[in-house]
Amino acid sequence: GAGVSQSPSNKVTEKGKDVELRCDPISGHTALYWYRQSLGQGLEFLIYFQGNSAPDKSGLPSDRFSAERTGGSVSTLTIQRTQQEDSAVYLCASSPRLASYNEQFFGPGTRLTVL
Amino acid sequence: AQSVTQLDSQVPVFEEAPVELRCNYSSSVSVYLFWYVQYPNQGLQLLLKYLSGSTLVKGINGFEAEFNKSQTSFHLRKPSVHISDTAEYFCAVTLNTGGFKTIFGAGTRLFVKA
Repeated sequence: GAGVSQSPSNKVTEKGKDVELRCDPISGHTALYWYRQSLGQGLEFLIYFQGNSAPDKSGLPSDRFSAERTGGSVSTLTIQRTQQEDSAVYLCASSPRLASYNEQFFGPGTRLTVL
Repeated sequence: AQSVTQLDSQVPVFEEAPVELRCNYSSSVSVYLFWYVQYPNQGLQLLLKYLSGSTLVKGINGFEAEFNKSQTSFHLRKPSVHISDTAEYFCAVTLNTGGFKTIFGAGTRLFVKA
């Protein structure tokens, strides 16, 4: 079956612009996660969803970052007034349900470059 | 707070040699442990995980890892590597007390030479 898909695969934007990154999880997966992978760094946890609900937003780096999920499926991560330090690969993952023992299935990522 | 340390950022090794990628974690509560692999230009995929029971866990592609609670380690091993094992390997932990946040290490780049 289809895996996790993310779009766009690459995004180049100018400092100060807003960007939207999209994640389409595996069909039927209720849990969805967003991570940021900066050059030479591990994965930085941003936010998770159970259904459409995101109970813990403390991982978002600043109030310029927001995420939503509608219909228990597609999720968008929005970065407002982008800064150069936002340049990174943004990864999305899903799992059948929210459980700390579950494997996460990752998408290929969106590479964001802020000029 | 939880943390994960991968002690080697890069590990070069010759084909058919054994390899160990080291991972140590810090947590005040019990954790679940994972190794993920990211092949070039691909997404991360699960290699193996430790939840409970036997401390030696076997995964895909001939990899195995051993959970050592006293040393808070979860090192990944393979007795004989192939060129195709060249990839980045990530160690990760989650709490087994209901937390859903996964903490990843910085990754170890395994480079297998012919």
